[in-house]
Amino acid sequence: AQSVAQPEDQVNVAEGNPLTVKCTYSVSGNPYLFWYVQYPNRGLQFLLKYITGDNLVKGSYGFEAEFNKSQTSFHLKKPSALVSDSALYFCAVREPASGGSYIPTFGRGTSLIVHP
Amino acid sequence: ETGVTQTPRHLVMGMTNKKSLKCEQHLGHNAMYWYKQSAKKPLELMFVYNFKEQTENNSVPSRFSPECPNSSHLFLHLHTLQPEDSALYLCASSQSPTSTDTQYFGPGTRLTVL
Repeated sequence: AQSVAQPEDQVNVAEGNPLTVKCTYSVSGNPYLFWYVQYPNRGLQFLLKYITGDNLVKGSYGFEAEFNKSQTSFHLKKPSALVSDSALYFCAVREPASGGSYIPTFGRGTSLIVHP
Repeated sequence: ETGVTQTPRHLVMGMTNKKSLKCEQHLGHNAMYWYKQSAKKPLELMFVYNFKEQTENNSVPSRFSPECPNSSHLFLHLHTLQPEDSALYLCASSQSPTSTDTQYFGPGTRLTVL
């Protein structure tokens, strides 16, 4: 069964500093990985996804994520954090339809707080 | 942001009430989903519809009853709910339910069961 872990409930970073939000996963085959962001009183917004190809994926709002197969990780990063990046971030994993359920599994979410 | 809309945005109901949540997507997608989001818990998938047909029911209690009259509309009918059902209910859509398709979420309905 697929699973995803976000080991940090909260990440605090100063504005202008780089940020990392961690995600590790477990699947039986090759994973499809996603990051979403949720602002207060809003639904989840898609940030980026890894399907295949380059391990470094670039997404919306200057975010990027690095797929690391050996460490089964897909950490979200941004070189310089903004106060407006403060939100709840969700990592999700899906296994290919032929190898199992296509239903995504979401992590518990990580609250990112960027201090001015 | 306006691709998937949900109404109402907030709902307070008693345990004996019957109410319905509505979701509409304007993206031309074929798959629609209901999720339950509770504080500090992973998103819980409830139902999946593909071309109006239910393809997944993730062991959801029968007091939640989904309806998908067409690919653009999805309802969640609620009756005799429990206080623990209080949560944010999110609707999502995607082109298809395949693994690579991105899901687009609505803003959610904040449900409080008294």
